[in-house]
Amino acid sequence: DAGVIQSPRHEVTEMGQEVTLRCKPISGHNSLFWYRQTMMRGLELLIYFNNNVPIDDSGMPEDRFSAKMPNASFSTLKIQPSEPRDSAVYFCASRKNTVSQETQYFGPGTRLLVL
Amino acid sequence: GENVEQHPSTLSVQEGDSAVIKCTYSDSASNYFPWYKQELGKRPQLIIDIRSNVGEKKDQRIAVTLNKTAKHFSLHITETQPEDSAVYFCAPLGWGSQGNLIFGKGTKLSVKP
Repeated sequence: DAGVIQSPRHEVTEMGQEVTLRCKPISGHNSLFWYRQTMMRGLELLIYFNNNVPIDDSGMPEDRFSAKMPNASFSTLKIQPSEPRDSAVYFCASRKNTVSQETQYFGPGTRLLVL
Repeated sequence: GENVEQHPSTLSVQEGDSAVIKCTYSDSASNYFPWYKQELGKRPQLIIDIRSNVGEKKDQRIAVTLNKTAKHFSLHITETQPEDSAVYFCAPLGWGSQGNLIFGKGTKLSVKP
């Protein structure tokens, strides 16, 4: 398996533009997570899905952020409009949501810079 | 929900010394206790984990110990090497957290040659 795949790996955009981050989880994993990491705030859970259904989005900072998972092999995180404070590394992670299969695998991350 | 704290936040050791990082948690229902390592510019990766029916687990130079009564678990690294320099996260899983891993704020370990 190729592991969790994220695209793009780097994104530079201007304030006000729409940004879409993409994630392909590991095949067979039924839970998918979006995290944001900054020096100031550390690793924050934004939202997670079980079986393609959003379970908890309490970490989504505001209405400018939205996430979808239309099928088991694809998810997007969208920021519209983007702001400089959204600059961070965004990680997608996946795992099987079963006992003894708790290991969570992270993608390589998307480094977002909003100017 | 789960409250997770790691100590210390930074740790500097000489190569060959041991390093210990402690993680305390609040959810008594937590039953899975992993440690993740994140090297600079890379993704977090699992290095060792333990389940609540075990008190200690070792894998070469790293070990994890669990004290469920006191609700803490620790990462032990012996004979540290420069490549151990990274940020380490504990991430206990508990059903009070809807089955999520709750990541601590991380401990930055620096191993000086």
